[in-house]
Amino acid sequence: QITLRESGPALVKPTQTLTLTCTFSGFSLTRSGLGVSWIRQPPGKALEWVGIIFWDDDQRYNPALKTRVTMTKDTTTNQVVLTMINMDPVDSATYYCTHSYGGFGDLSPFDVWGQGTVVTVSS
Amino acid sequence: SYELTQPPSVSVLPGQTVSITCSGDNLGEKSASWYQQKLGQSPVLVIYEDNKRPSGIPARFSGSRSGNTATLTLSGAQAIDEADFYCQTWDRGTYVFGPGTKVTVL
Repeated sequence: QITLRESGPALVKPTQTLTLTCTFSGFSLTRSGLGVSWIRQPPGKALEWVGIIFWDDDQRYNPALKTRVTMTKDTTTNQVVLTMINMDPVDSATYYCTHSYGGFGDLSPFDVWGQGTVVTVSS
Repeated sequence: SYELTQPPSVSVLPGQTVSITCSGDNLGEKSASWYQQKLGQSPVLVIYEDNKRPSGIPARFSGSRSGNTATLTLSGAQAIDEADFYCQTWDRGTYVFGPGTKVTVL
């Protein structure tokens, strides 16, 4: 059974850096085709893809966030870390990590989601 | 940037059928997925590759595509199906979600 769990600070100040950790089980991020994405959802709004890291350490990011986002993985601890710099109140959202297979493209749905972690950006 | 269009809301009587559309430029050349998000919960994948159901998703959920429109159909709606539904695809290196459709079971 695949599970993912997000963790990190609930509150960050504007201009600070956000670091979130996704701890997963039930799969290995060394297996070809697998990826872990971060997806966020501001209160009352739609889902927005943030980025993905693959089994081969390839990373792809939402162009709108590309200059601010970095994702890394640790296959020994089964964790993926999202770092987002220069946080702004508009970045306040629930952040989800998800599992996907099938590489990068439209044949790679987000088939398992974590419970999400709420991040508020406020001074 | 690529955009998907969904109706903001639809309603259905218990036991009846409701369809949610998702349209976008050249969507006919891509595959679509659908996610159900109940209030206060994480999204759940209910349809992928236009019309495939993951294990554990009830058969009353079905997907189809015609031209540049993908459709999620809920047949025999139940109160427990009330949720927001999001379509999703991939375009030029970015995963894109639709704005979401709120399904109300009256």
